[in-house]
Amino acid sequence: GAGVSQSPRYKVAKRGQDVALRCDPISGHVSLFWYQQALGQGPEFLTYFQNEAQLDKSGLPSDRFFAERPEGSVSTLKIQRTQQEDSAVYLCASSPRRVRSTGELFFGEGSRLTVL
Amino acid sequence: QQQVKQSPQSLIVQKGGISIINCAYENTAFDYFPWYQQFPGKGPALLIAIRPDVSEKKEGRFTISFNKSAKQFSLHIMDSQPGDSATYFCAASKETSGSRLTFGEGTQLTVNP
Repeated sequence: GAGVSQSPRYKVAKRGQDVALRCDPISGHVSLFWYQQALGQGPEFLTYFQNEAQLDKSGLPSDRFFAERPEGSVSTLKIQRTQQEDSAVYLCASSPRRVRSTGELFFGEGSRLTVL
Repeated sequence: QQQVKQSPQSLIVQKGGISIINCAYENTAFDYFPWYQQFPGKGPALLIAIRPDVSEKKEGRFTISFNKSAKQFSLHIMDSQPGDSATYFCAASKETSGSRLTFGEGTQLTVNP
């Protein structure tokens, strides 16, 4: 399809396990964002890439969270030693725009992580 | 730090009525104000957006009203339909941070038939 694709859609992890969430942005989109959405809340910014460069990671809640986009397309969000408070929907979004411009973000359907 | 505050948390409207959702922001550097619509199990999708050089923008049944001095903006949905039932998020961003959005807490809209 032509939209942002995320996998897995659902992930259940035991506390302490590591998880990896994948995002396939819209082809040709320069910018890629990760957001965390807790139940009943608005999305909260985690990190931002322009091509392969991670320009802003100020929203990552701890050093257990790590994101990469090595070839400037697919991105992976990794959470190490998961905790119950990490349970949320992780949304990926892409945009054709570069930094220093604003515009529409195209979101995927998210990966719902449940930590037991 | 909640930079964008949204109200009400939930809203029930009859079919054909007007739905109004309000947002207030703190950071005067914000220069782009979109509204996103989210259905259960889906990601947010852009509905309509405004920049601070205009006070109102209308697209079909959806209108954004913007008050720069009060640092407030609102979404009006005219002739609300059951298909409009969803969660609505206001957001804000500034050019210097690219398209990074700061979202409000969301409003769950229910339109009764």
